[in-house]
Amino acid sequence: DTGVSQNPRHKITKRGQNVTFRCDPISEHNRLYWYRQTLGQGPEFLTYFQNEAQLEKSRLLSDRFSAERPKGSFSTLEIQRTEQGDSAMYLCASSLLVAEAFFGQGTRLTVV
Amino acid sequence: GIQVEQSPPDLILQEGANSTLRCNFSDSVNNLQWFHQNPWGQLINLFYIPSGTKQNGRLSATTVATERYSLLYISSSQTTDSGVYFCAVYNTDKLIFGTGTRLQVFP
Repeated sequence: DTGVSQNPRHKITKRGQNVTFRCDPISEHNRLYWYRQTLGQGPEFLTYFQNEAQLEKSRLLSDRFSAERPKGSFSTLEIQRTEQGDSAMYLCASSLLVAEAFFGQGTRLTVV
Repeated sequence: GIQVEQSPPDLILQEGANSTLRCNFSDSVNNLQWFHQNPWGQLINLFYIPSGTKQNGRLSATTVATERYSLLYISSSQTTDSGVYFCAVYNTDKLIFGTGTRLQVFP
């Protein structure tokens, strides 16, 4: 197994455009998490799935953000009508329930 | 919600020195992890340590869950140890990250 994989690694988009990120977790992991990290800060929780069910969403996740994990495998995070404040590193992690979590390389989003 | 604080916020060392990083948390937790964030932003797992002491090479960690803190020890530091170190605790079903310690090791 190659670990958690995220694509793309970098994304530059114009304000107002929609973007979608993908996360492929470690294959036997049933939990998948999305985090956001801005410069100089620690990662902040956005949402998580157990299998295909989205069990919790942070207040940070505005209506412009949506996440899916349709078959309990990979997940996508979409941001609609991007704003400059959305510029950040988006991190995905997976785990077996509340056991050790492993993170992907992240997707760095720049909104210009 | 739970608060996770790390100290010191910044640490500058010369190669070969030892250091101790601290993580305090405000409530009981299920588990705790230490990570090293490399210059490209990836979080590298160091320890998964709900309690007790673990060692991996020059690094070791101790968690005293009843007193709500964890310590990360780095011995004989190397320039490749530079980066940001995060502790993260499981509260309910998700990891909550601390504020981080930025370590710079100079030759």
